[in-house]
Amino acid sequence: DTGVSQDPRHKITKRGQNVTFRCDPISEHNRLYWYRQTLGQGPEFLTYFQNEAQLEKSRLLSDRFSAERPKGSFSTLEIQRTEQGDSAMYLCASSFRSLGERQNEKLFFGSGTQLSVL
Amino acid sequence: GQQLNQSPQSMFIQEGEDVSMNCTSSSIFNTWLWYKQDPGEGPVLLIALYKAGELTSNGRLTAQFGITRKDSFLNISASIPSDVGIYFCAGQSIFISGTYKYIFGTGTRLKVLA
Repeated sequence: DTGVSQDPRHKITKRGQNVTFRCDPISEHNRLYWYRQTLGQGPEFLTYFQNEAQLEKSRLLSDRFSAERPKGSFSTLEIQRTEQGDSAMYLCASSFRSLGERQNEKLFFGSGTQLSVL
Repeated sequence: GQQLNQSPQSMFIQEGEDVSMNCTSSSIFNTWLWYKQDPGEGPVLLIALYKAGELTSNGRLTAQFGITRKDSFLNISASIPSDVGIYFCAGQSIFISGTYKYIFGTGTRLKVLA
């Protein structure tokens, strides 16, 4: 039983460079979430997908950020022209949510990608 | 971004003591999740709550979904050194139109003294 997998675990980049992170969710999960976490804070919502559709984006997700989930399986999060303020842990989580009113949704996280922008 | 209020922010306790922490919101939630996070790792799910008033246990951990739907509580009994870490609550609301995102708390940092 494999959990949520994120790659890379750590990324160091220079300001202005582009970076891309990958997330592989638990195989039967149809929902995929991206969160960002800075030191001393709880995870902050960035965006989520239901299958391949991106259903919600946070205002934190500036136009330099783009996320995709092309076939409803793995997802990528790209940051263009990185800034020092982008330094954070980027967390991916997945869940299964079926149609219907009553939902017992549980969110399972990967180990995260720690981004450092120099 | 929006975050829920967790209390206390941090606590130092002796091994064997019981621990209580809570999470409060101005919004009504239909689901509460509790997580533990170790340094450099992602949060690990501890307990899920889906109904107001629900009380759920997982080993030495017990969590409750507040009657008002605006709060939740986590208790750890007979703490041990490996309980050290940061505990987060997360709430999901179907009452906020068009969103199913989970909003996280600010965290409670627990340190256990042997």
